[in-house]
Amino acid sequence: DAGVIQSPRHEVTEMGQEVTLRCKPISGHDYLFWYRQTMMRGLELLIYFNNNVPIDDSGMPEDRFSAKMPNASFSTLKIQPSEPRDSAVYFCASSSPLGTQYFGPGTRLLVL
Amino acid sequence: KNEVEQSPQNLTAQEGEFITINCSYSVGISALHWLQQHPGGGIVSLFMLSSGKKKHGRLIATINIQEKHSSLHITASHPRDSAVYICAVERGSNYKLTFGKGTLLTVNP
Repeated sequence: DAGVIQSPRHEVTEMGQEVTLRCKPISGHDYLFWYRQTMMRGLELLIYFNNNVPIDDSGMPEDRFSAKMPNASFSTLKIQPSEPRDSAVYFCASSSPLGTQYFGPGTRLLVL
Repeated sequence: KNEVEQSPQNLTAQEGEFITINCSYSVGISALHWLQQHPGGGIVSLFMLSSGKKKHGRLIATINIQEKHSSLHITASHPRDSAVYICAVERGSNYKLTFGKGTLLTVNP
């Protein structure tokens, strides 16, 4: 398996623009997680899905953030409108129940 | 106070030295994870444990549930072990991870 795939790997955008981050989990994994990593706050869980259903989105910072998982092999994290404080590395991870989480390579987002 | 505290924040060692990184947590947990983040940014899960000890190659992870403490040991450290090591705890059965700030390990040749 190719592992967790994220795209794009880097994104530079201007404040106010919409940003869409994409994730393809490992085939057969029931759980998908979105994390954000910043120097100030470290790694934080934003939202996670089980069998394509959002289970806990309490980590989503505000209404500008939304996540979807239309099928078992694809998820998106959208920021609209983006702000400079959203600049971070966004990781997607997937796992089977009670299993190890496998992380994608991350998307490095810079909002100018 | 953070739910997950790691020490030290930074650690520099000479190749071959025995390394210990500590993690303390303040809440009841169902599992504790150790992760490794390489300078390029990729994150790899090293261990997931809920009791006792696990070993993989030169890495050993231990946990003491009563004391709410875990340690990650690296024997015969090597420059390629240089990375950030992150402790994370899982509470209940909801699979949510709460992370420590990480320990930056540098192993010099």
